[in-house]
Amino acid sequence: AQSVAQPEDQVNVAEGNPLTVKCTYSVSGNPYLFWYVQYPNRGLQFLLKYITGDNLVKGSYGFEAEFNKSQTSFHLKKPSALVSDSALYFCAVRGFSGSARQLTFGSGTQLTVLP
Amino acid sequence: ETGVTQSPTHLIKTRGQQVTLRCSSQSGHNTVSWYQQALGQGPQFIFQYYREEENGRGNFPPRFSGLQFPNYSSELNVNALELDDSALYLCASSLGGVTNTEAFFGQGTRLTVV
Repeated sequence: AQSVAQPEDQVNVAEGNPLTVKCTYSVSGNPYLFWYVQYPNRGLQFLLKYITGDNLVKGSYGFEAEFNKSQTSFHLKKPSALVSDSALYFCAVRGFSGSARQLTFGSGTQLTVLP
Repeated sequence: ETGVTQSPTHLIKTRGQQVTLRCSSQSGHNTVSWYQQALGQGPQFIFQYYREEENGRGNFPPRFSGLQFPNYSSELNVNALELDDSALYLCASSLGGVTNTEAFFGQGTRLTVV
């Protein structure tokens, strides 16, 4: 069965500093990896995805993520955090076939950017 | 906005009642998935519909059922509501058969069971 771990429930960073939100995954075969963001009382917004190719993926709002196959990680990064980045972030994995094609989410990381 | 719309946005039901939640998928998408997000947790997969057929189901009891219509909109039905069914229910649409595409989510329906 596929799974996602987000080891930090909460990440605090000062505005202007770089941020990292960690994610590790487990899946059979090659993974499809996604990051979503959720603002209070809202649905999930797609940020970026890794399917194949370059290990550094660029997405919306200046976010990027680095895929590391040997460490089975897909950490979300941003060079300079904004207060408006404060939200709940979810990493998700999708497998290649059968029931694994469904999205499996991590438990989420609450990012707070301090002014 | 994603183009995925859900109704209603909020709902309060009594334990034992039945509820129907609705979702309109994004134009061009033929696959709808439903997720349950309990407070403080990540979304949990309930089931998926592809071209009007159930195409995968998570670890949810049979009292959770669904439908997909020819226009690819979808319903989630929950019978015999329990207090633990209180959650945000999210609908996501995507292009089925293409696993590398992202899913687009609606704003969710907040269900409270009292």
